[in-house]
Amino acid sequence: NAGVTQTPKFQVLKTGQSMTLQCAQDMNHNSMYWYRQDPGMGLRLIYYSASEGTTDKGEVPNGYNVSRLNKREFSLRLESAAPSQTSVYFCASGARALEAFFGQGTRLTVV
Amino acid sequence: KQEVTQIPAALSVPEGENLVLNCSFTDSAIYNLQWFRQDPGKGLTSLLLIQSSQREQTSGRLNASLDKSSGRSTLYIAASQPGDSATYLCAAYNQGGKLIFGQGTELSVKP
Repeated sequence: NAGVTQTPKFQVLKTGQSMTLQCAQDMNHNSMYWYRQDPGMGLRLIYYSASEGTTDKGEVPNGYNVSRLNKREFSLRLESAAPSQTSVYFCASGARALEAFFGQGTRLTVV
Repeated sequence: KQEVTQIPAALSVPEGENLVLNCSFTDSAIYNLQWFRQDPGKGLTSLLLIQSSQREQTSGRLNASLDKSSGRSTLYIAASQPGDSATYLCAAYNQGGKLIFGQGTELSVKP
């Protein structure tokens, strides 16, 4: 049972490049989340999806887009990466407002 | 807007001590509250979920309480061990299902 799987685990981008972070869960959860974690800042919610086809902005959505095309997958896209987006990104899933489970994270560096 | 605060930011204790980690939230209309553990460079591991109708949950040496009226939750760790050293994060679910995190308490248990 894989739980929540994020790809890639590490990525280095140049400023202005685009990329998509992938997240998939196999627990049949409706809710999925994307967070970023920066030193001293805790985890900040980027986007939230309550169910397939729905998305909602979190605390820090600027510079990001998301897509929830099916129940399993929730992707995060950076259209034009900036050094301020250097961070560790976590995806999570859960039954609505019940226990959330996290992936192992993607460490992204924008140079 | 829900804000979650954890105090202290860091805590160092000798092995064997009982300790309490604090979490406060601004919006008492939370749905549920979840405590996590994060080891350095790793993802988040769920410790306890307290549903809004509950006042506490226990798992082994861990006990978490929830007081919605005062906007507080505590995580009690009994007989601390060096293996408990990690960052502990609390997160509150709002009525819309979003999960908002505090900044965490970094715990160090000295042998």
